[in-house]
Order: sequence, then C-alpha cells, then structure tokens
Amino acid sequence: QQQVKQSPQSLIVQKGGISIINCAYENTAFDYFPWYQQFPGKGPALLIAIRPDVSEKKEGRFTISFNKSAKQFSLHIMDSQPGDSATYFCAARPSGAGSYQLTFGKGTKLSVIP
Amino acid sequence: KAGVTQTPRYLIKTRGQQVTLSCSPISGHRSVSWYQQTPGQGLQFLFEYFSETQRNKGNFPGRFSGRQFSNSRSEMNVSTLELGDSALYLCASSQTGNYGYTFGSGTRLTVV
Repeated sequence: QQQVKQSPQSLIVQKGGISIINCAYENTAFDYFPWYQQFPGKGPALLIAIRPDVSEKKEGRFTISFNKSAKQFSLHIMDSQPGDSATYFCAARPSGAGSYQLTFGKGTKLSVIP
Repeated sequence: KAGVTQTPRYLIKTRGQQVTLSCSPISGHRSVSWYQQTPGQGLQFLFEYFSETQRNKGNFPGRFSGRQFSNSRSEMNVSTLELGDSALYLCASSQTGNYGYTFGSGTRLTVV
C-alpha cells in the first residue's frame, strides 16, 4: 500500500533527447509528489514537485505529468544534457496529520551520452 | 543560506559498537527527518522530528533512535551495530515537515 514503483531502472539517452521516467503508486492518500536528483557522493536534491490538483508542472527543462485516475506520474527531461547524468528518484507523501515521511521509488540511473 | 550539514561524512565501526550521527538543518527549518539509503533497499524512512518531538517512525528496530534539540539540530544513534547497518544515512530538513525537504550529503557508515 505504501509502495511507489519506478521504471526504468536505468536509461541511456542521446544528448538533446527526451528522458522519461515513470512512477506508479497505490495509496490514494498520497498528496505530494516530488522528484529528486542524486549525484554520486551527494544527497538527493529536490528537482520539482507536484500536488494532485494539477496535471502538469514545468520548471525549465523538467516537467512532471500527473495522472490521478491512473495513479501514475512521470518526469520528462527535455533536451537532455550530459550534466543530467545522475540517479533520479520519485517520491510521495501522504496527507494527514502524522504523515511526515516520504516513500521513495527505487531510482533510475540516467546516462546522457554525447 | 547554508544547507543541511551532516557530520561526520564517513565512519567505520566494528560490529557490536554504537554510533551517533549529527545533523544541522537549514536555519529556520524545524523539521528534521532521517533516511537510510542502501543499494538493495533504496531510501527508507527512519524517523521525523519537529520541535523536539518525534512525530513519525519508520519500520526499523529499536536499535535505531534519534533526538532533536531546542535549536533543531538532530542526532541519530544506532546501538549494537550489525553488518547490515552499513549504509548512507541522510538527514533532510524542512520548515514544517510537509513539503520542500532539503537533504544533506549524508554520513557513510561502514560496519566491519
């Protein structure tokens, strides 16, 4: 019930291409969906986040698409660059008092090749 | 604005020992959460503190404990270390604990 399933595990994209990472969840109480980017030796850094009242949010080259009925959300990285090579994690947090924890997907290792 | 600071960055401990990790949140952030990151299990929630009170606890044994001080700094303690406790321990802070979690670079714990 608390799981967030992320795919693919790894992704190779040509420079300038679009990287797409997908996540699915079961718990309908989730109401906050952030994406994190992690470089080796660093902690995860918040990229972009969405609430279920909107279907899409864009920040620069990063876009979250959210499908509430399908319980799925995805990260699109436009014009992917070698500097985007990192591990990406989707996460979700349930609403309600006493729910101050993020449930993470297993991560996607993105490699952008020149 | 300084980020989340975790000390030490690296630790090597022997099985059976105990360890204390420290986290200084971003100034003004009152919520501090702790996560364990391993290659096999990924990122798993340990506990969350707000104004010195533990509000949430993950599914970890009682050997894992934490506390938060009046200045919002937090420590986590692991007693009777096991080989499986080897992991990257991450601290995240936010203003209220609801959104906008900022992570530190973590403490890499190796148990031998």
